[in-house]
Amino acid sequence: ETGVTQSPTHLIKTRGQQVTLRCSSQSGHNTVSWYQQALGQGPQFIFQYYREEENGRGNFPPRFSGLQFPNYSSELNVNALELDDSALYLCASSAGQGRGEAFFGQGTRLTVV
Amino acid sequence: AQRVTQPEKLLSVFKGAPVELKCNYSYSGSPELFWYVQYSRQRLQLLLRHISRESIKGFTADLNKGETSFHLKKPFAQEEDSAMYYCALFAKGNTPLVFGKGTRLSVIA
Repeated sequence: ETGVTQSPTHLIKTRGQQVTLRCSSQSGHNTVSWYQQALGQGPQFIFQYYREEENGRGNFPPRFSGLQFPNYSSELNVNALELDDSALYLCASSAGQGRGEAFFGQGTRLTVV
Repeated sequence: AQRVTQPEKLLSVFKGAPVELKCNYSYSGSPELFWYVQYSRQRLQLLLRHISRESIKGFTADLNKGETSFHLKKPFAQEEDSAMYYCALFAKGNTPLVFGKGTRLSVIA
């Protein structure tokens, strides 16, 4: 059984650029959630995908978008990067909707300069 | 809207002393509550959930619906317990986990 993996681990981008973060879910899991964790804060929910459909979204602007693929891996895309987008981005997978237990990746540290 | 409050950013205790990490929540329904832990250089991982009523690594947590609390307790702290602890609420359905801001536990030898 493989765990949740995220790539890249670190990334530096310039304000205004676009970024794509990737996540491979744990084997057998069909639900992927993305969280943003700013320094000193708890993880904040961005959105969730279940069987390739977005089925929940937090308070993030439309320039945060995502995809889930048939193998349940997922991407998080952020357009028009702002300095405040600098954070740790966490991906979590779970075995179906309506499950509170989530398995997290190690995160991608994004720095916007 | 659901909310989780962890009033302490940092909690320092001596090895062997009791530990209590506080968590309060606001939600009108019947939530599931979790404690997640992040050790240094490791990923966020589930420590325990209230529905299991289990003890993990000596930690326990009881859901008090009257006080809307889910405090994490351990009678004797160990140095390896030093970590960041997050309380999280799950309201069922298609809702996400809602996390508190976390408490950093530092166990001093």
